[in-house]
Amino acid sequence: AQKVTQAQTEISVVEKEDVTLDCVYETRDTTYYLFWYKQPPSGELVFLIRRNSFDEQNEISGRYSWNFQKSTSSFNFTITASQVVDSAVYFCALSEARDNYGQNFVFGPGTRLSVLP
Amino acid sequence: DAGITQSPRYKITETGRQVTLMCHQTWSHSYMFWYRQDLGHGLRLIYYSAAADITDKGEVPDGYVVSRSKTENFPLTLESATRSQTSVYFCASSDRGRANEKLFFGSGTQLSVL
Repeated sequence: AQKVTQAQTEISVVEKEDVTLDCVYETRDTTYYLFWYKQPPSGELVFLIRRNSFDEQNEISGRYSWNFQKSTSSFNFTITASQVVDSAVYFCALSEARDNYGQNFVFGPGTRLSVLP
Repeated sequence: DAGITQSPRYKITETGRQVTLMCHQTWSHSYMFWYRQDLGHGLRLIYYSAAADITDKGEVPDGYVVSRSKTENFPLTLESATRSQTSVYFCASSDRGRANEKLFFGSGTQLSVL
């Protein structure tokens, strides 16, 4: 069965520190997709990135970077020079095709990041 | 660009009452989903729908009923609310339900069952 683990329940850092959020997934499929979503205090879920299982290139977007390693089934997320606005709950998710129809989108439990001024 | 609209934003109800949470999307996406968010569990799928009149159970469907008579609407009904159904409920959609598609979320409904 598909599973996503985010072992860090809560993380607190001081502004400008770098922080890495861990994500480990389990799947039997060879084709799958990994996502990160951000949930700020306002509550909505904001899409950050999607990665497919065949592309292990790391990605950088401004202060955000993602490290995908199939060998360890991990898709970690690093924020460089964190800011108070980065305070949020971050969810890692795994998406695969269902046997019957549609996508099976499974979320991890989330990591609450607090960036202190 | 309205996207996905959920109503109400907040709801307080009593044990045993029927409650309906509304979800409306303006993109004509085929797939719609209901998730509940609980501490320590992340988001868990309650029901999903591939099109009008096609619905299927997710991970935690007990105590919930859904319908989808129109593509744009996907209401979730708690037939007899229980305290364990106190949660934040999110409606989401995706265009064709393909594995590579991201989900678009509504703002959520915070439900308290007293």
